[in-house]
Amino acid sequence: AQTVTQSQPEMSVQEAETVTLSCTYDTSESDYYLFWYKQPPSRQMILVIRQEAYKQQNATENRFSVNFQKAAKSFSLKISDSQLGDAAMYFCAYTDSWGKLQFGAGTQVVVTP
Amino acid sequence: GAGVSQSPRYKVAKRGQDVALRCDPISGHVSLFWYQQALGQGPEFLTYFQNEAQLDKSGLPSDRFFAERPEGSVSTLKIQRTQQEDSAVYLCASSLMDSPNTGELFFGEGSRLTVL
Repeated sequence: AQTVTQSQPEMSVQEAETVTLSCTYDTSESDYYLFWYKQPPSRQMILVIRQEAYKQQNATENRFSVNFQKAAKSFSLKISDSQLGDAAMYFCAYTDSWGKLQFGAGTQVVVTP
Repeated sequence: GAGVSQSPRYKVAKRGQDVALRCDPISGHVSLFWYQQALGQGPEFLTYFQNEAQLDKSGLPSDRFFAERPEGSVSTLKIQRTQQEDSAVYLCASSLMDSPNTGELFFGEGSRLTVL
């Protein structure tokens, strides 16, 4: 069975600074997808970034980037130049069967002015 | 509509009551998913539809949970004889494609169920 672990319940960052959220996962599959989702208080999950396991290059979306270490089964998210609007719960997710995502427990990101 | 719409946004039920939660996916989206999110936890997969066919219901926690999508668009998640442990946010998501290569999941804002 696959599991996704987020070991940081909460991370605090000052505006304009950088924060890194950690995620590890366990799988015996070689082909899979990893995601980071943002969930603000409105509860709507918003896709931040995705990574295909077969791609060696780390995904980047504007201020968001990942460090994907396939051998270590690690998938961290870096938020650069943090903004107040980045404050939310962030979930790491895994799938090898489309749509059937497995989520971690989440990391609450707090952004201070 | 522009996004995935769920109703009701909030539902309070007495233990033993039946509830029905509705999901309106984005028009034309083939795939539809239901997830259950307990307080302070990540969402957990319940069931998956491709058009009107329920292809995976392995995440439904008991036979009190039932989902349908009879015409391949709107879906209803029904919970019979609700229990306190059913209290959670129920999230619906839809996807245009049915493969991981191009199909991004779009989530609704969820229905928060509280069972007293």
